[in-house]
Amino acid sequence: SYELTQPPSVSVSSGQTASITCSGAKLGNKYFSWYQQRPGQSPVVVIYQDTKRPSGIPERISGSNSGNTATLTISGTQVMDEADYYCQAWDSSTGVFGGGTKLTVL
Amino acid sequence: QVQLVESGGGLVKPGGSLRLSCAASGFSFSDYYMSWIRQTPGKGLEWVSYISSSAASKYDADSVKGRFTISRDNAKSSLYLQLNSLRVEDTAVYYCARVVVYAVDQSTWYFDLWGRGTLVTVSS
Repeated sequence: SYELTQPPSVSVSSGQTASITCSGAKLGNKYFSWYQQRPGQSPVVVIYQDTKRPSGIPERISGSNSGNTATLTISGTQVMDEADYYCQAWDSSTGVFGGGTKLTVL
Repeated sequence: QVQLVESGGGLVKPGGSLRLSCAASGFSFSDYYMSWIRQTPGKGLEWVSYISSSAASKYDADSVKGRFTISRDNAKSSLYLQLNSLRVEDTAVYYCARVVVYAVDQSTWYFDLWGRGTLVTVSS
């Protein structure tokens, strides 16, 4: 089965840039979406189709896909960005989520 | 108000059954593909199943294939998940999610609306 690998945790100082990676096979053939889940809340999409932001998501949140690694980047990180982040893709008609990354803002 | 509200979770013994429901409101339910996604307590997300807008297409994760069945009633704006032969490892919060089908290319799909989830606990 297809697998997506994320680092379990990332720490960043307030105001700095955080990068969360997602790796897997054949990334270049796939689009990725990213979901933010704050404690006690349901997930919310923050990036879809690698780079697009839904309305209401700040511009400091961005995504990229280099072909080997998909990356979620949060610039000027704020305390409100502290959450779990999941990458997601589709493979052979099934959905696949990465294991999630806990972002801690110091 | 655009929302999804799950119900039907609870405590069930291994081998038992449960039926989850998801009531949609505030949008044209029959226009959207829908999906179930679960989250083990303290762990990550796992996609479970999806169903097309007309129910003509359905796909399940290997971990639930043959045990869980997704269905929908567009007249009632409702999504369902029948859980049979439940195992301890099926214990999770089950979320209902709306799927944006951007294009024929499935890799463009994503989940743009999630419910608050319903907890299923499988324990003897």
